[in-house]
Amino acid sequence: GAGVSQSPSNKVTEKGKDVELRCDPISGHTALYWYRQSLGQGLEFLIYFQGNSAPDKSGLPSDRFSAERTGGSVSTLTIQRTQQEDSAVYLCASSYPMNTEAFFGQGTRLTVV
Amino acid sequence: QKEVEQNSGPLSVPEGAIASLNCTYSDRGSQSFFWYRQYSGKSPELIMFIYSNGDKEDGRFTAQLNKASQYVSLLIRDSQPSDSATYLCAVPQGGKLIFGQGTELSVKP
Repeated sequence: GAGVSQSPSNKVTEKGKDVELRCDPISGHTALYWYRQSLGQGLEFLIYFQGNSAPDKSGLPSDRFSAERTGGSVSTLTIQRTQQEDSAVYLCASSYPMNTEAFFGQGTRLTVV
Repeated sequence: QKEVEQNSGPLSVPEGAIASLNCTYSDRGSQSFFWYRQYSGKSPELIMFIYSNGDKEDGRFTAQLNKASQYVSLLIRDSQPSDSATYLCAVPQGGKLIFGQGTELSVKP
């Protein structure tokens, strides 16, 4: 596609439910990033995939968070047993190999009620 | 010390003035530096990148890099109200793209 695509755009879920957020990167981009942005805050790094290398999961806030990237393309971020503090905008970005420009999707706004 | 630091602002400048946004980073091995603009409720949008020491100009925007001082800045000339946004500095460190907290810029008509 022309840009990074994320779905859904908005997600409202009940506390304790699991959610899956999807990111479809720009074709040919080997690097994929997930960030979280709470209201009025900066971008919090979550996880980074680069090609077939093991992902850098150092930013995941708890073991309730996981992500995978199938076939080096689409990525899914899963949050298990959601909590109210998980409410935020989840942003995905992709780029050619690291140190090059990254482009963002429109984000998924997650609200846990 | 945070990996990438910016003054949170808000920075307020009158229309037509020069806005100066600053960023410092901790990893001396960093090779590339990016400036993003984020309008309220929108995703970050890449506006400038710089790899070499010195200045890089693109229209009304100039990025300045000083690797010895671990400092990168963004100048916006002839600021317009439409430039009002949060500006994020980003630096790849250890393979990850690390963002500063962003500086909120307000351009007053």
